[in-house]
Amino acid sequence: EPEVTQTPSHQVTQMGQEVILRCVPISNHLYFYWYRQILGQKVEFLVSFYNNEISEKSEIFDDQFSVERPDGSNFTLKIRSTKLEDSAMYFCASSDRDRGYEQYFGPGTRLTVT
Amino acid sequence: GDSVTQMEGPVTLSEEAFLTINCTYTATGYPSLFWYVQYPGEGLQLLLKATKADDKGSNKGFEATYRKETTSFHLEKGSVQVSDSAVYFCALTTNTGGFKTIFGAGTRLFVKA
Repeated sequence: EPEVTQTPSHQVTQMGQEVILRCVPISNHLYFYWYRQILGQKVEFLVSFYNNEISEKSEIFDDQFSVERPDGSNFTLKIRSTKLEDSAMYFCASSDRDRGYEQYFGPGTRLTVT
Repeated sequence: GDSVTQMEGPVTLSEEAFLTINCTYTATGYPSLFWYVQYPGEGLQLLLKATKADDKGSNKGFEATYRKETTSFHLEKGSVQVSDSAVYFCALTTNTGGFKTIFGAGTRLFVKA
């Protein structure tokens, strides 16, 4: 069964550094998402992306965040200048219209900012 | 705005006990409803779903019914196992705009042998 993949599984970075989290959505999906989960807390929506532009973003998704679909397969989340509070698990998801927009989640990238 | 409220945990049960985790939602339009499970150190797995009122989702002995009149989607299982110990998230996906998923806070379940 097709699945969403994410790399790396764990990223450690220093405060102030830029990080790029990578996702490969399911190949025929058209809608892409990023979520985050701070340890022990609930999963929070960050951003949705369709037709090469952001559809919706949360208040968490400030100017430090950006998303990109640089080619036909990858979907990336960039954090320009990481803060300690960005430490979390980041989940990518994708969906398509034909499956009622059911979202398929990747395994997540654990980001640790020191 | 849209939201999901689920019962706080942790919930501790003995093996073979009956499980109910309550979930209610607030949404405009007609969302799809989901239960996700997260085992320790792992990602989110879809447990079951329901896309319209009165639908019943079921999987691995778990079930939940989309109740529009009470805006609820309670998770039930007749006989839990130790392997069911995990965090359970109730969620809704909007059918407008960005189709984002909104999660409840999660309920941790411990099942004792």
